[in-house]
Amino acid sequence: EVQLLESGGTLVQPGGSLRLSCTASGFTFSNYAMNWVRQAPGKEPEWVAAVSPTANSIFYTDAVKGRFTISRDNSNNTLFLEMSSLRVEDTAIYYCAKASLGTTQPYEDWGRGTLVTVSS
Amino acid sequence: ETVVSQSPDTLPLSPGERATLSCRTSQSVSSRSLAWYQQKPGQAPRLLIYAASKRATGVPARFSGSGSGTDFTLTISSLEPEDFAVYYCQHHETFGLGTKVEI
Repeated sequence: EVQLLESGGTLVQPGGSLRLSCTASGFTFSNYAMNWVRQAPGKEPEWVAAVSPTANSIFYTDAVKGRFTISRDNSNNTLFLEMSSLRVEDTAIYYCAKASLGTTQPYEDWGRGTLVTVSS
Repeated sequence: ETVVSQSPDTLPLSPGERATLSCRTSQSVSSRSLAWYQQKPGQAPRLLIYAASKRATGVPARFSGSGSGTDFTLTISSLEPEDFAVYYCQHHETFGLGTKVEI
C-alpha cells in the first residue's frame, strides 16, 4: 500500500522559512516523479513544484520560483520542500503527491497533508 | 496558459440520481492530460479518472469520464451517499475551481 506522510508544517511569521518533508513507503520511490501541491482554505488545489525520479528535472509554479526548493533523497525515500521568504498567501495545506509512472501528472496518490500558516 | 472552467459550481441532487459535471478548457487539449479528482471534507483529493476516461484503481464503475477537445464530462450514474463531495478537473498542473455535489 502506498503511503505518503508529510511533516514540518507549523505557524511561521511572514518572511520566515520552513522545511517540509514527505516520507514515502509501499512503492519504489526512485522510479516516480513527485510533487508538492497546496490547497488554501476553501480553494482549489494548486500545484507548487515537481521533481523527476533522479532529480535531473525540477519545475516550480511562478508564485514560488526563487523562494521554494524541491529536493529528494532516494536512499531514504523522502521528498523535501524548502520554503523561504514566506508570505501570508502561502498559507495552505501542503500535500505530497506521487505521479503516475513515467509522467508528472496526474497525481495518483496523495498524503494527508501538513498545514503551513503564515501569519504575524 | 490553458484555463480550466467547471460547471455548475454546485449541483444539488439526491441519492440514486445521475450527476453530470462539466469541465471546459480554454483551448483544445489532449485527452491524455485531463483528470478528475474527488475531495471530501478534511481529506486529500483522490484521483478518479485520468486520460479523460480511464478509471483509477479501485474507482467504482458508476464513475465515468468522457469528452475531447475543450469539453469533458464526469458522470456519476447513480449517486451513493458517499459520493457527495467536491470534484475537481485538472489539465496538466492546472485545477478547475471545482463542482460541489450536495444533497
